[in-house]
Amino acid sequence: RKEVEQDPGPFNVPEGATVAFNCTYSNSASQSFFWYRQDCRKEPKLLMSVYSSGNEDGRFTAQLNRASQYISLLIRDSKLSDSATYLCVVNIGQTGANNLFFGTGTRLTVIP
Amino acid sequence: GAVVSQHPSWVICKSGTSVKIECRSLDFQATTMFWYRQFPKQSLMLMATSNEGSKATYEQGVEKDKFLINHASLTLSTLTVTSAHPEDSSFYICSARRSRATNEKLFFGSGTQLSVL
Repeated sequence: RKEVEQDPGPFNVPEGATVAFNCTYSNSASQSFFWYRQDCRKEPKLLMSVYSSGNEDGRFTAQLNRASQYISLLIRDSKLSDSATYLCVVNIGQTGANNLFFGTGTRLTVIP
Repeated sequence: GAVVSQHPSWVICKSGTSVKIECRSLDFQATTMFWYRQFPKQSLMLMATSNEGSKATYEQGVEKDKFLINHASLTLSTLTVTSAHPEDSSFYICSARRSRATNEKLFFGSGTQLSVL
């Protein structure tokens, strides 16, 4: 079983739509969670960290459900510029090097 | 914010040649850097962890003699793809963290697209 699993999509949504992505993780000891955005042939960039209480940054809302071991990302009022691949990243909590696991990414295309 | 610089951005080389990719942390010291490979429409696959002053830790299935990693200073790690073949063509990307804290975010280099003819 993969450490982190995401629906690869693609999600094709019209401009202005609300879209949500989920990401499940297998290790219950996971401690930190992140959403990264990656444009084609570019490096991933941190979109937001995911806190236990949930957090919001403008049109983006991230939530964590420890009981069900998943995190979510909600994008409201989608813009064309939101088209990208969204990577779920989970830190399984062991201090040190090899403790980050990436999901395969969910591809979003916002259509005019 | 922290910056990680990666060079070159694009490499086209003949089969059998070696290619060196550099990853530099510009405004912080990185005792640990990570090297990933990404094939089209796939996620990042961790290849190895580069440790300053010691040997790199390779992930299962990654040939250490083919992918040589050197982390000679606190701000520079290099990945050398030796005797590159067409199947090594991929997007290689490095990352670094300021600390080992579990909530520390990663800073990524801009990636290197390697094409082996």
